[in-house]
Amino acid sequence: AQSVTQLGSHVSVSEGALVLLRCNYSSSVPPYLFWYVQYPNQGLQLLLKYTSAATLVKGINGFEAEFKKSETSFHLTKPSAHMSDAAEYFCAVSESDSWGKLQFGAGTQVVVTP
Amino acid sequence: EAQVTQNPRYLITVTGKKLTVTCSQNMNHEYMSWYRQDPGLGLRQIYYSMNVEVTDKGDVPEGYKVSRKEKRNFPLILESPSPNQTSLYFCASSLGGTGPNQPQHFGDGTRLSIL
Repeated sequence: AQSVTQLGSHVSVSEGALVLLRCNYSSSVPPYLFWYVQYPNQGLQLLLKYTSAATLVKGINGFEAEFKKSETSFHLTKPSAHMSDAAEYFCAVSESDSWGKLQFGAGTQVVVTP
Repeated sequence: EAQVTQNPRYLITVTGKKLTVTCSQNMNHEYMSWYRQDPGLGLRQIYYSMNVEVTDKGDVPEGYKVSRKEKRNFPLILESPSPNQTSLYFCASSLGGTGPNQPQHFGDGTRLSIL
């Protein structure tokens, strides 16, 4: 069975500063990993996904994530925060042999200050 | 426009009064799923469906029912709602499953309050 842990329920960053959101997973089989973003009063949108083709994954809006098998991590970064990045971010995992189940982390709320 | 539509968007009701939240997608997707979102817990999967007449339990199925009689619709049924089912609910769909080439399309959510 898979599980996801996001470290930090709230992160505050200054505009222009690095954004770093942490995600650790556990899975008994090679996982598929995702980051989703949720803006206020909206559903979730896919930011990026790990598919085993490359360990460094680039997504939309300047975000990227690096898969580190030895650390069972899939941390999300953005070099320079923008005010529009204020949202809630969710890491999610799906096991490759279970095509119906998707497990989400508890989420990290990002606040961007001027 | 490709979309997942949930109705109602907001509902306040009372304990024990049966309710149905509808979910419809216009993308001919085979896979559909329901989640509930609670503060500090993220999204938890309630039920999912790989195709018509094929449904399976997620992590928190207790107190919920689903049906998938046609591909486009996947209603969530609360036969006897209780206050602990007060939550924000999301429906999602994809071409097939939760694999890496199956991006999930989410509805805008249904906020349920059960008194």
